[in-house]
Amino acid sequence: SQTIHQWPATLVQPVGSPLSLECTVEGTSNPNLYWYRQAAGRGLQLLFYSVGIGQISSEVPQNLSASRPQDRQFILSSKKLLLSDSGFYLCAWSVVGGGGYTFGSGTRLTVV
Amino acid sequence: GQQLNQSPQSMFIQEGEDVSMNCTSSSIFNTWLWYKQDPGEGPVLLIALYKAGELTSNGRLTAQFGITRKDSFLNISASIPSDVGIYFCAGAGGGSNYKLTFGKGTLLTVNP
Repeated sequence: SQTIHQWPATLVQPVGSPLSLECTVEGTSNPNLYWYRQAAGRGLQLLFYSVGIGQISSEVPQNLSASRPQDRQFILSSKKLLLSDSGFYLCAWSVVGGGGYTFGSGTRLTVV
Repeated sequence: GQQLNQSPQSMFIQEGEDVSMNCTSSSIFNTWLWYKQDPGEGPVLLIALYKAGELTSNGRLTAQFGITRKDSFLNISASIPSDVGIYFCAGAGGGSNYKLTFGKGTLLTVNP
């Protein structure tokens, strides 16, 4: 069966520090991968999605970047965190062409 | 881009009551999905709908894919305290570039 792992679960980082959040998927090949941010426990904002290794599409201009170095690995990064980067970050995957997204358990990031 | 209007934004109900929430769109979707998010967790898929007019149940949950393909509703019967959470609708237009459009969520509170 397919599983998605996301870590860390919580993170407190100072302003200006770098960020690296990792997401991996098991049990499937060539998934579509997504990074979402959720602020204040409500709407889901799509940040990045990837349909293959090295292929990244950015949905909104921001202080973050994403990379997909391996088929089932998706990384969210920042060189210098801002206070506004605080939020709940969710990774998700889907099969190509449909079936719904499966979400990871999320990372609560607090920038102080 | 595509947008989903999800209502209501929040609901406060008594245990045992039935709940209804819906999503509408100006665009046609080929897939409608309903997710539930517990506090501090990632959203979990509840029901997936793939055909206009389809009515699907999952325990006390019932969802329908509107005939026009521009709307969907979710009903919860005989609510219980563990139904508390945020419910999201999501729609997809199909194709290999599978991107879901999410509603802003309905926050459900159930008073015992």
